[in-house]
Amino acid sequence: NAGVTQTPKFRVLKTGQSMTLLCAQDMNHEYMYWYRQDPGMGLRLIHYSVGEGTTAKGEVPDGYNVSRLKKQNFLLGLESAAPSQTSVYFCASSPDPLNTGELFFGEGSRLTVL
Amino acid sequence: QQQVKQSPQSLIVQKGGISIINCAYENTAFDYFPWYQQFPGKGPALLIAIRPDVSEKKEGRFTISFNKSAKQFSLHIMDSQPGDSATYFCAARARGGSQGNLIFGKGTKLSVKP
Repeated sequence: NAGVTQTPKFRVLKTGQSMTLLCAQDMNHEYMYWYRQDPGMGLRLIHYSVGEGTTAKGEVPDGYNVSRLKKQNFLLGLESAAPSQTSVYFCASSPDPLNTGELFFGEGSRLTVL
Repeated sequence: QQQVKQSPQSLIVQKGGISIINCAYENTAFDYFPWYQQFPGKGPALLIAIRPDVSEKKEGRFTISFNKSAKQFSLHIMDSQPGDSATYFCAARARGGSQGNLIFGKGTKLSVKP
């Protein structure tokens, strides 16, 4: 049972470089989310998707873009990385957040921007 | 109004003791209050959740107490064990058009000493 898989798990970038984080879920969930976790800041929602082909902004969307071309995948892109984007990124999915409310998280992707 | 305030930031408890983590909120539109547990290097996982129509929910050694009038809820871990050492996040979900997005507290790092 893979659940939610994030790749890569670690990445070091230089300021201005671009990269994409991939999230894949095998639970056929409609909803997918990208969060960032910073010390003392909890989990903050970057972008989310309520179904294939849809995306929406969360609390801290600036500097990030997302795409949900396939139901099982949710991609998070950084076009021009900045040191402020150094963080641990978590992807999550949910079958029906308005009913069950449960999010299923991946193990995280640690990004360092130098 | 969208914040969930969590305290303490860190907590050290002796094995067998009671761990108590508190959260407070302002938004009366919140209708679902989960707690997530996160071990180092892992993603958060749902531990226990409560809805505002009940004042307490217990699952094994974990209990949520909910005070609707005070807009506060807390997690109690009875007979705390070293294996409970983790970071705990409270969260809240607003009913209505938010697609079930959770607002997380900033987290409490719990250390249970043997």
